[in-house]
Amino acid sequence: SAVISQKPSRDICQRGTSLTIQCQVDSQVTMMFWYRQQPGQSLTLIATANQGSEATYESGFVIDKFPISRPNLTFSTLTVSNMSPEDSSIYLCSVSTGRNEQFFGPGTRLTVL
Amino acid sequence: QKEVEQNSGPLSVPEGAIASLNCTYSDRVSQSFFWYRQYSGKSPELIMSIYSNGDKEDGRFTAQLNKASQYVSLLIRDSQPSDSATYLCAVRTGGTSYGKLTFGQGTILTVHP
Repeated sequence: SAVISQKPSRDICQRGTSLTIQCQVDSQVTMMFWYRQQPGQSLTLIATANQGSEATYESGFVIDKFPISRPNLTFSTLTVSNMSPEDSSIYLCSVSTGRNEQFFGPGTRLTVL
Repeated sequence: QKEVEQNSGPLSVPEGAIASLNCTYSDRVSQSFFWYRQYSGKSPELIMSIYSNGDKEDGRFTAQLNKASQYVSLLIRDSQPSDSATYLCAVRTGGTSYGKLTFGQGTILTVHP
């Protein structure tokens, strides 16, 4: 498995602001994913981020709201833009290993006031 | 019909019993299936992956896959209070060996002493 870290672990933000979440992996991985887990809910994929190409967004998620960067094979960022209380959630980074298994980072707990 | 459905919970079993968690999926070409355990306030942890029909055992855990019935299950033998968590079934849809996972809604398991 891979060791994944996320920053920040949690944050409380004001409506209308933006937050950038960082995801760092201890080894090079091709595919990284960003998920959202709303309170009491399961995981929903936001986008897939491959190094050297534009992120692929799932239905209901757009780049203007959730811009993603993937500058290299060990790092990615997700920005939550122009936040509203509905964006309060846990945001999770995951990576796919050579065995095609996915492992998750510890998550970022976001509260928007 | 949801892409991945899990048996409704919560599920409560006594310590030492077998806990049975079930999952069905709609995409017939799915190739890869995973069980994650998520403790409250933590991120999902991969506990089992299964790719072929039949059973796969790992310690007290057994995953069972029946592609014809589009059904995957997880058995936990000799359940312990530490097994109390939400169990998430995940399916790699689309018939590829890489890429995004679709998660079920999760089943909350409580093992009582």
